[in-house]
Amino acid sequence: GQQLNQSPQSMFIQEGEDVSMNCTSSSIFNTWLWYKQDPGEGPVLLIALYKAGELTSNGRLTAQFGITRKDSFLNISASIPSDVGIYFCAGQQVGPDKLIFGTGTRLQVFP
Amino acid sequence: NAGVTQTPKFQVLKTGQSMTLQCAQDMNHNSMYWYRQDPGMGLRLIYYSASEGTTDKGEVPNGYNVSRLNKREFSLRLESAAPSQTSVYFCASSALNTGLYGYTFGSGTRLTVV
Repeated sequence: GQQLNQSPQSMFIQEGEDVSMNCTSSSIFNTWLWYKQDPGEGPVLLIALYKAGELTSNGRLTAQFGITRKDSFLNISASIPSDVGIYFCAGQQVGPDKLIFGTGTRLQVFP
Repeated sequence: NAGVTQTPKFQVLKTGQSMTLQCAQDMNHNSMYWYRQDPGMGLRLIYYSASEGTTDKGEVPNGYNVSRLNKREFSLRLESAAPSQTSVYFCASSALNTGLYGYTFGSGTRLTVV
């Protein structure tokens, strides 16, 4: 089945560092979403992007919808311990109301 | 603010046993989904229901059945559990034309088949 290529697979950073992760696909998407999953919980929506080139921020998080509509990135600035978790990108194509998820980026933040 | 509620949270089954995972949402969403999450595999869609009365297969439907009981409830059934079905199962819901709001997920059911 189709999946999005998400990288890196995991990151180990120090508190205060900036983080960048991205998601690519061979297909075009109309919507890109970024989710965070805390340990033992379900994913929670962080940012939604609806137009090619769109740049959206949510606090220390910034995400962009790639111009080609085949990629997206998420940046986290000045990381803190509660940023620990798995980050998923998800894309939606025209048609059935389904999202396709990336394989996730596992983030560890050390004090 | 319950959102999406899944039961049970944990379950251990023996190979060949059957069980039903329950999911209910109180947001009046039209669409509901069942995903499984395995290490390194992300979230894979098992079945989804775009509206009450309809269900469709996702990426990995084999070994599962679903029932959209009403607008609120969407259950996932394992008729004869296999060790390969050991996973974390998530139910999610969304409004129609979900591009605006994405999905709301439940907190998951952790299933082990021995």
